[in-house]
Amino acid sequence: KNQVEQSPQSLIILEGKNCTLQCNYTVSPFSNLRWYKQDTGRGPVSLTIMTFSENTKSNGRYTATLDADTKQSSLHITASQLSDSASYICVVSASWGYNFNKFYFGSGTKLNVKP
Amino acid sequence: NAGVTQTPKFQVLKTGQSMTLQCAQDMNHEYMSWYRQDPGMGLRLIHYSVGAGITDQGEVPNGYNVSRSTTEDFPLRLLSAAPSQTSVYFCASSYSNQAGSTDTQYFGPGTRLTVL
Repeated sequence: KNQVEQSPQSLIILEGKNCTLQCNYTVSPFSNLRWYKQDTGRGPVSLTIMTFSENTKSNGRYTATLDADTKQSSLHITASQLSDSASYICVVSASWGYNFNKFYFGSGTKLNVKP
Repeated sequence: NAGVTQTPKFQVLKTGQSMTLQCAQDMNHEYMSWYRQDPGMGLRLIHYSVGAGITDQGEVPNGYNVSRSTTEDFPLRLLSAAPSQTSVYFCASSYSNQAGSTDTQYFGPGTRLTVL
């Protein structure tokens, strides 16, 4: 069964600290993996997109890694800021029927950055 | 660019009522989709469209209808609202969704729907 599991469900860190969010997946055939940030009451916003051949991609203080062999990804946030408080969603895309992508969404990690 | 816009932001319906959630994008994207987001669950695909005049069902289509008469607009219709349809609804668009595509999906701000 195609699934995306994220951990932890929620996380509280102090401003300025680093943190790492995890994503494990069983989606096949793998096409790409995306991380989104969703602020409370808003729609998800794309942070990174990685294909099979990419094992790391950065977007400012956000760095995503991908291990396609173990089917694991992580999102590392450096020097956290209060504005990083949000839910972070891992999405794995499968090439379905060679026509289009089918997206599998994780349930997200809710990050709370405290001053 | 306004991006992806959705109206209304909030809506309360009574069981059995019908309504249309509006979605529009001004980026000339071919692919548009509707998702619902429920607490503790990942987003689930309701319906999608790969271009004007072409729509198809996602994983949870029952109780919903869509049409795509223009590239810009993709409304979602609730035929007879039920409490199980209480959720947050997101519209999304991307240039394409062809297999292997890495096109960014842009999401609207969402519509929070409560069915009493």
